[in-house]
Amino acid sequence: QVQLQQSGPGLVKPSQTLSLTCAISGDSVSTNSGAWNWIRQSPSRGLEWLGRTHYRSKWYNDYAVSVKSRITINPDTSKNQFSLQLNSVTPEDTAVYYCARGFVDRGMDVWGQGTTVTVSS
Amino acid sequence: QSVLTQPPSVSAAPGQKVTISCSGSSSNIGNKYVSWYQHLPGTAPKLLIYDNNKRPSGIPDRFSGSKSGTSATLGITGLQTGDEADYYCGTWDSSLSAGVFGGGTKLTVL
Repeated sequence: QVQLQQSGPGLVKPSQTLSLTCAISGDSVSTNSGAWNWIRQSPSRGLEWLGRTHYRSKWYNDYAVSVKSRITINPDTSKNQFSLQLNSVTPEDTAVYYCARGFVDRGMDVWGQGTTVTVSS
Repeated sequence: QSVLTQPPSVSAAPGQKVTISCSGSSSNIGNKYVSWYQHLPGTAPKLLIYDNNKRPSGIPDRFSGSKSGTSATLGITGLQTGDEADYYCGTWDSSLSAGVFGGGTKLTVL
């Protein structure tokens, strides 16, 4: 049974960096058949796909246009996890952040428990 | 403004049927699969439909999905109060090279 366990701070100051980690059990971040995503949810914007990392003989990343200049998603094969870094945050980045396995079009079937992140001084 | 367009809300009585539409374009729904998610407050979204019309194990056959051209539809029959939730469609947009979701539809079971 695949499980995703998220960790990271719930409060980030404006202009600083939001950092979250998603630890994978029951699957491998290096799988050739899957992808690992970050998604956020807020009342004003609903679900918003932020980006993904996946391995197909080498690592590939894709990012949403809205955050492309500020986001980095990194796999960590030694710990079987992947991380999200979002730079220069503002209060508009306040949301519940989720990690998920799969593809937005073909289905993301396993989700992390969610992390509420508030951007405030 | 979401790339995929969903109605903000739908409602129906218990036991009735409801459909939720998701409209896109040739760069997303028109050439890609569609998935649907149920989101209850305080919980992680749940995958209801993948590959346009397939149900994961454990999802009852009251939930169905279809796609035609640049639009997709989620159908729910035999509505229950427990179905009250926000529903989202999702797909890949080839022009953006990014995943996209609809704006979400709030289902109220009257």
